[in-house]
Amino acid sequence: LAKTTQPISMDSYEGQEVNITCSHNNIATNDYITWYQQFPSQGPRFIIQGYKTKVTNEVASLFIPADRKSSTLSLPRVSLSDTAVYYCLAVTYNTDKLIFGTGTRLQVFP
Amino acid sequence: KAGVTQTPRYLIKTRGQQVTLSCSPISGHRSVSWYQQTPGQGLQFLFEYFSETQRNKGNFPGRFSGRQFSNSRSEMNVSTLELGDSALYLCASSLSSESTDTQYFGPGTRLTVL
Repeated sequence: LAKTTQPISMDSYEGQEVNITCSHNNIATNDYITWYQQFPSQGPRFIIQGYKTKVTNEVASLFIPADRKSSTLSLPRVSLSDTAVYYCLAVTYNTDKLIFGTGTRLQVFP
Repeated sequence: KAGVTQTPRYLIKTRGQQVTLSCSPISGHRSVSWYQQTPGQGLQFLFEYFSETQRNKGNFPGRFSGRQFSNSRSEMNVSTLELGDSALYLCASSLSSESTDTQYFGPGTRLTVL
C-alpha cells in the first residue's frame, strides 16, 4: 500500500484559497487518491477522490499530475469552519481498507 | 437518510473488563469497517465486514474481534481491556466492499480504560 506524506500543519485566513500537497512516490497503478476531513471528536468525512488530472466537486478540487507521485487538494475561499485535519490516502482498488497517515492540521484564522 | 450510528458514544471501563461496541450502517450499506484512533497512533484499521464475513483485518491482537449481522449491523468486542485500548473507535459503512466506494463514518465511541 502506498505511503503518503503531507505537511503536519498549515495556517490560512478566511477567504483565501488553501492548497494541501500530498506526496505518494510509490503509488501503484490501481491506487486512487482520496481525501478525508476530520473535525475533533467526529469521524472523518469524505471530500474528494481522483485517479489523474483534475477532479472538482462542490467542496474542493483535486489536482493529480501525470506521474501521479503527488496530488494537491485545493479548498477555495476557506472559512473558519474549514479548520480541521485533512487526510490524504492512496486507496488501492479492491483491498477493502483505508490506511490513514498523520494528516494535515489546517487552522483558519479570521 | 440517517447516517452511521454508534452506541454508546462514551464508555468507561476498568482494566481486565470486556466491552462491546455497536454500529448501525447507513440503510442499504453492506460493508462495515472499524478503526481505532489514538493521539499517538492516529487512525488505524481494525477490520472490515461484508455480508456477515470478515474480509480484511488490521494488525491488532486477538482481543479485538467483531461480527456482522444479517441486517448489516456490526458489533466490535474488546476483551481483557488494557489502558492502551483507550481510544475513539470509529465505524464506517459503504455500499459494497470496493475500497473506492466512499466510506461514511459514524461519530465514534470514546472508550476510556481506567
